[in-house]
Amino acid sequence: EVQLLESGGGLVQPGGSLRLSCTASGFTFSSYAMTWVRQVPGKGLEWVSTVGASGDSTYSADSVKGRFTVSRDNSKNTLYLQMNSLRAEDTALYHCAKGRAGLINDAFDIWGQGTMVTVSS
Amino acid sequence: DVQMTQSPSTLSASVGDRVTITCRASQSISYWLAWYQQKPGKAPKLLIYKASNLESGVPSRFSGSGSGREFTLTISSLQPDDFATYSCQQHNTFPTFGQGTKVEIE
Repeated sequence: EVQLLESGGGLVQPGGSLRLSCTASGFTFSSYAMTWVRQVPGKGLEWVSTVGASGDSTYSADSVKGRFTVSRDNSKNTLYLQMNSLRAEDTALYHCAKGRAGLINDAFDIWGQGTMVTVSS
Repeated sequence: DVQMTQSPSTLSASVGDRVTITCRASQSISYWLAWYQQKPGKAPKLLIYKASNLESGVPSRFSGSGSGREFTLTISSLQPDDFATYSCQQHNTFPTFGQGTKVEIE
């Protein structure tokens, strides 16, 4: 079964750090770009970061650039999001998603259920 | 950034109705447009990619059309399982999403 499973979310104080993980199964992980998308409960979806299939190319939204780093370990079928200098506005459910066609800019055919990040003192 | 605007924000309909949701891009995105369905507490589900291509396993009552800046998602005959929130996403550039359209029971 094709599956993505996120972990690592939790409650963190403003200015703190968290590392999210997303473990993939059921497909050739190393062939696809992978993306983090976040969603404030009750609100719309927001693209956060994308990493290319090999891990050599990374892209992030302006709202997180310089604070968040996306990476992957293809030997472990795992995607990561290192989140530093967290702000209250980063509070959201973070989903990892698989690009459908292996492109950097892609539709997403597989999504994880998400891991909740709450930034609050 | 390419802004995506959906209308309406909420749509009240009955089982069997034909439903149309519109998504407009702030600039041309060719056909690089996807549609998703999302239910409370669940991850988004891809319905349509490249504006009009039905994702595998998605019922044929769902269809998409459009190119350039204006796109539509149509549900030909609304079923009980279709009451959900629908979002569009452009992937001509770094992805941006519409704000969502909630389809609720009339």
